[in-house]
Parts: sequence; C-alpha cells; structure tokens
Amino acid sequence: DVQMTQSPSSVSASVGDRVTITCRASQDISSWLAWYQQKPGKAPKLLIYAASSLQSGVPSRFSGSGSGTDFTLTISSLQPADFASYYCQQTNTFPRTFGQGTRVEIK
Amino acid sequence: EVQLVESGGDLVQPGGSLRLSCAASGFTFNTFWMHWVRQIPGKGLMWVSSISSHGNDLRYAESVKGRFTISRDNGRHSMYLQMNSLRVEDTAVYYCAREGGGTFALDYWGQGTLVAVSS
Repeated sequence: DVQMTQSPSSVSASVGDRVTITCRASQDISSWLAWYQQKPGKAPKLLIYAASSLQSGVPSRFSGSGSGTDFTLTISSLQPADFASYYCQQTNTFPRTFGQGTRVEIK
Repeated sequence: EVQLVESGGDLVQPGGSLRLSCAASGFTFNTFWMHWVRQIPGKGLMWVSSISSHGNDLRYAESVKGRFTISRDNGRHSMYLQMNSLRVEDTAVYYCAREGGGTFALDYWGQGTLVAVSS
C-alpha cells in the first residue's frame, strides 16, 4: 500500500499568512494526488485534483504542486473561511490512502 | 445539482450487520465510479470501498475485506454497503462520494451517516 505522510499535523496562522502543507507518498504516484478541505461536522470538499488542477469554484488562493512522491498545498493568503482540516489522498492505486490530516488553526 | 444522501446508520452490537444506502441524483449515475469513505469522530479519513460504474470492479480496504460488500443499482441511482460481522473499530461516520470523471478524485460527497458499534 502507498503510505501518505502529511506535515505538519497542525499549523497556527493569521489571516493573510501564506500557509504550506506537504504530503509525501511512500512510492511514486505520478501526479495522482488530491487535496480536500474539511470543516467540523461537514463532509470533505475537493480543492485540488491531479496534484495541481483547481476544482471548479475553489478560490485561486489555493494551489497545488508536486509530482512523484512530494506534493504541496499552498494557501497564498489565509482567509477566515480557510481555518479547517486538510487531507491529501493518493488516487493512483487501490487502496486509495489518505494522509493523516493537517489542522489549520487561528493564531 | 449533484446530491448524494446516505442513510442506514444506526447503533448495532458487535457481530451485527447493517446496510448503508447512498441515493444519488443530479448526474448520470451509471457513468461514475462511487466510493465509501469513513471517519472516526475527531480522527482522519479512511477509504473503505469502491465500485466501478457498471458494478463489475469492486475494491476494499484490507480491514473490511470479507466483511463488507459494496454494490449498486444503477436503475435506482443508488449504492449500498452491506456491513457484516461489525466490530467496535468500525464505529465511524460513513460518507459516500463520487469519483470525478477522469480525475480519480472525489468531487462530490454526501453528508455522512453514523454507524456506532457497541454493546
């Protein structure tokens, strides 16, 4: 199975900050990586697919990059609506493993 | 508008069974892969099972293989998860999700249904 390791597990940031979350795969997954945002009590929401493609309707302050084993999700200027948990998921092979999540908290 | 609505979650004793349903609307159901993902309250996401558009390719997480069965009825625009031999560690919110065509990512999710396994 492909193991997905996210870091950090949590980050404290202020509105307007640039936030970067990383995700590392235990083996090459090409660009088959997705990022999701989840708020408490809600279902996850797709932000990025295929490592760098922005899902329709998602603000452009979100961006994704990387290929192979190393990936990043960047929020260029953190907004109040962005305080949430973020998960990566490899979509290359089954089982479709998730990272353990990163909580973005208000500083 | 794409909608996914799960149902069937309940409190069940260890060793018991439960059948979850996911009713889909707003898209051509029989052309999309569908997935189940679960989440222990306060914890991370875990992929559980997937089914191809015509139901002929089934995938399972190792922890549920042999106990859970995924299926779909394209005529009823519905997907199901039959859960047998339930364990305490199966306690979670179960989400159904659609795989976006060509992206392999989960582009629409239901609101989730809670399965609690306890004596």
